[in-house]
Amino acid sequence: DVKVTQSSRYLVKRTGEKVFLECVQDMDHENMFWYRQDPGLGLRLIYFSYDVKMKEKGDIPEGYSVSREKKERFSLILESASTNQTSMYLCASSLRTGPSYEQYFGPGTRLTVT
Amino acid sequence: AQSVAQPEDQVNVAEGNPLTVKCTYSVSGNPYLFWYVQYPNRGLQFLLKYITGDNLVKGSYGFEAEFNKSQTSFHLKKPSALVSDSALYFCAVRVSRGSYIPTFGRGTSLIVHP
Repeated sequence: DVKVTQSSRYLVKRTGEKVFLECVQDMDHENMFWYRQDPGLGLRLIYFSYDVKMKEKGDIPEGYSVSREKKERFSLILESASTNQTSMYLCASSLRTGPSYEQYFGPGTRLTVT
Repeated sequence: AQSVAQPEDQVNVAEGNPLTVKCTYSVSGNPYLFWYVQYPNRGLQFLLKYITGDNLVKGSYGFEAEFNKSQTSFHLKKPSALVSDSALYFCAVRVSRGSYIPTFGRGTSLIVHP
């Protein structure tokens, strides 16, 4: 079974702190994604990576950056956390070849910025 | 461009009754369609997908979905609902060629009453 893990289930940070969210997948997937999930807004794509060191902006990249130095690891960085970044953050991975492949999601990180 | 609509924020059904969660889509080209389920405080889990072939797709936990090209719909169904089916359900679409990035609906909360 594919396993996607996220470094924290719950995280509380202060405004202005730099925040790192880590995601690791164990199935050699090329594609990795970061989403945020807010009530009534569904899933919104923050960043996408289709290969090591490659990244594309999603729908809401402002205030975030990402890093993919190894194929299995995709990090989301909040350079200076703000209260409006309080949310559930979901990481996902999928195969790249054969565009039909479904995504596998991690358990999520619920981030609270105070 | 691609989009997904889940017209109902919430669906209520009695245990043992059939359930339907609706999804309509819009894409330029052939669609690949997916359903995911999210239990409280968890990540999304893949349920089923339509790629090509038989319009009726069977998935996990007794769920199925019917692809209707003329109505651009992909409704999720189950003949007999269980209380444990209560969760948030997401429909997603991507085109068969081009972007690897799916578009998600806003989600439908399914509540199954005992």
